[in-house]
Amino acid sequence: DARVTQTPRHKVTEMGQEVTMRCQPILGHNTVFWYRQTMMQGLELLAYFRNRAPLDDSGMPKDRFSAEMPDATLATLKIQPSEPRDSAVYFCASGLPTTGANQPQHFGDGTRLSIL
Amino acid sequence: GNSVTQMEGPVTLSEEAFLTINCTYTATGYPSLFWYVQYPGEGLQLLLKATKADDKGSNKGFEATYRKETTSFHLEKGSVQVSDSAVYFCALSPISSGSARQLTFGSGTQLTVLP
Repeated sequence: DARVTQTPRHKVTEMGQEVTMRCQPILGHNTVFWYRQTMMQGLELLAYFRNRAPLDDSGMPKDRFSAEMPDATLATLKIQPSEPRDSAVYFCASGLPTTGANQPQHFGDGTRLSIL
Repeated sequence: GNSVTQMEGPVTLSEEAFLTINCTYTATGYPSLFWYVQYPGEGLQLLLKATKADDKGSNKGFEATYRKETTSFHLEKGSVQVSDSAVYFCALSPISSGSARQLTFGSGTQLTVLP
């Protein structure tokens, strides 16, 4: 089965360091989503892209977070500088470009980020 | 705006017990409705979906019926197994004829099934 691939699976770093998380969407999917999951807030949508263009990044702290899709096979989420409150599991999801009934999103296994 | 309200957990059941996890939603029009499941250490996986009123989604013994009149999409399973232990998320996506749309998730319900 095709899968969304996220790297790294785990990241531990010190406050102030730059963090880059990567996502390889399923081949052919044109919509990519970034989510953050914490115990307190649950699942939060940070940003999403369609055909590599950002459609909505209102859920993302603009001063330190940035999301890009350099090409159709790679999405990145960067945090600079990182802070302890950024500790969470970050998920990438991708979706099909077909028309008709809404298509489900396919999730990666996440990047577990710990900022010390 | 759109919102999803899920039954609070955690829920603990014995093996072979009947499961219901309640989900109600607020949305304009006829959104698509989904149940996702998250096993420990993994991402969310689609469990089932329904795209119009009175549709029943089903998968792996789980079922949910899209009830427009009560704006609900309750998840049920007649006989749970230990392997069903996971977190279950109800979600909706606004009406669309296009590709995957932004999902609104409920807060998740932790299910633990004891042998």
